[in-house]
Amino acid sequence: DAGVIQSPRHEVTEMGQEVTLRCKPISGHDYLFWYRQTMMRGLELLIYFNNNVPIDDSGMPEDRFSAKMPNASFSTLKIQPSEPRDSAVYFCASSSSEASGLGTEAFFGQGTRLTVV
Amino acid sequence: RKEVEQDPGPFNVPEGATVAFNCTYSNSASQSFFWYRQDCRKEPKLLMSVYSSGNEDGRFTAQLNRASQYISLLIRDSKLSDSATYLCVVNMGNYGQNFVFGPGTRLSVLP
Repeated sequence: DAGVIQSPRHEVTEMGQEVTLRCKPISGHDYLFWYRQTMMRGLELLIYFNNNVPIDDSGMPEDRFSAKMPNASFSTLKIQPSEPRDSAVYFCASSSSEASGLGTEAFFGQGTRLTVV
Repeated sequence: RKEVEQDPGPFNVPEGATVAFNCTYSNSASQSFFWYRQDCRKEPKLLMSVYSSGNEDGRFTAQLNRASQYISLLIRDSKLSDSATYLCVVNMGNYGQNFVFGPGTRLSVLP
């Protein structure tokens, strides 16, 4: 398995522009997570999906952030309009609830390093 | 109180030393626990799961104390390659999966 695949790996954009981050989870995994990591705040959960349905989006910082999962193999995180304070590494992760009643660990993609100037 | 707390370090130890990290969590109903390792500019990767009875994987030993709501990681005979940030992770989902990460403890193993 190729693991969780994220694109792009790096993104530099100007303030006010729309940014779309993409994620392909591990095949067969029914949970997908979007995290943001900064030096100041560490790793923060933004939103997670179960079977393509958003379960908890309480971590999404503002209405400028939105996430979708149109099918089991693809998810997007969109920021519109972007601001310099959105600069961070955004990770996508997936996991499976089937391995045991308690579920398995989360597997992470390599992340997208976003810089908004 | 944060949901998952760790001493951020850094821990600077010589090669061969034994080092221990602790982590506390707030939700007593949490179901599963993990230690992840994150290298600089890389994604977090699972180091080991933490089981109620405690578990060992080579030089690494993890312990769980549900009554006190803390988790520990012990690294024996530390190597230069152990230098990384160690993240305590608690699955706080009651009916699903909700992985909450601690802030991480940074370890530097010195020659």
